Amino acid sequence: SAVISQKPSRDICQRGTSLTIQCQVDSQVTMMFWYRQQPGQSLTLIATANQGSEATYESGFVIDKFPISRPNLTFSTLTVSNMSPEDSSIYLCSVGPGGNSPLHFGNGTRLTVT
Amino acid sequence: QKEVEQDPGPLSVPEGAIVSLNCTYSNSAFQYFMWYRQYSRKGPELLMYTYSSGNKEDGRFTAQVDKSSKYISLFIRDSQPSDSATYLCAMSDSFGNEKLTFGTGTRLTIIP
Repeated sequence: SAVISQKPSRDICQRGTSLTIQCQVDSQVTMMFWYRQQPGQSLTLIATANQGSEATYESGFVIDKFPISRPNLTFSTLTVSNMSPEDSSIYLCSVGPGGNSPLHFGNGTRLTVT
Repeated sequence: QKEVEQDPGPLSVPEGAIVSLNCTYSNSAFQYFMWYRQYSRKGPELLMYTYSSGNKEDGRFTAQVDKSSKYISLFIRDSQPSDSATYLCAMSDSFGNEKLTFGTGTRLTIIP
């Protein structure tokens, strides 16, 4: 399975600022996915990132709040904009090998907003 | 009501015991069922992947799906302290559908 690296692994940010999370995969993949894991809640898909096109956002998530880039087949970024304490969560990058297998995840970025 | 319900635990059992982890779901369209294991400060790691009803075994792990009851289980035999983690069930309605619906996870501790 693909090796997924995320940076930073954790960060503490102030309210109103933005954080960009990077996801690097060791092989080319068509689709990359961003999930959020809030304390005591289930993982929730934020958006799907395809190379060369706009990301597709799930209900409840908007591009202005979570802009995503996908410049090539091995890299994506997720920005959490204008952060509030409610954005404190673990953000996870994931890929599906060949697009037809269950997801594999990176180790996540643990974000705390004060 | 959540689409997928999972007892959050925590669940503590002695080493060597058989562990049973369960999820119930409401969407009858779900056909693909997965179990992930998540260690502290790590991402979810895929353990088992099954399609439709039936059992699947992999070493000490057995995944069981009962679609008629909308109930899935993960059994861990001869549990080890290294099995201590949070276990997440996940499911989807079509092959290759990366939009998975997850349970909230069950925190498991194996006591040496």
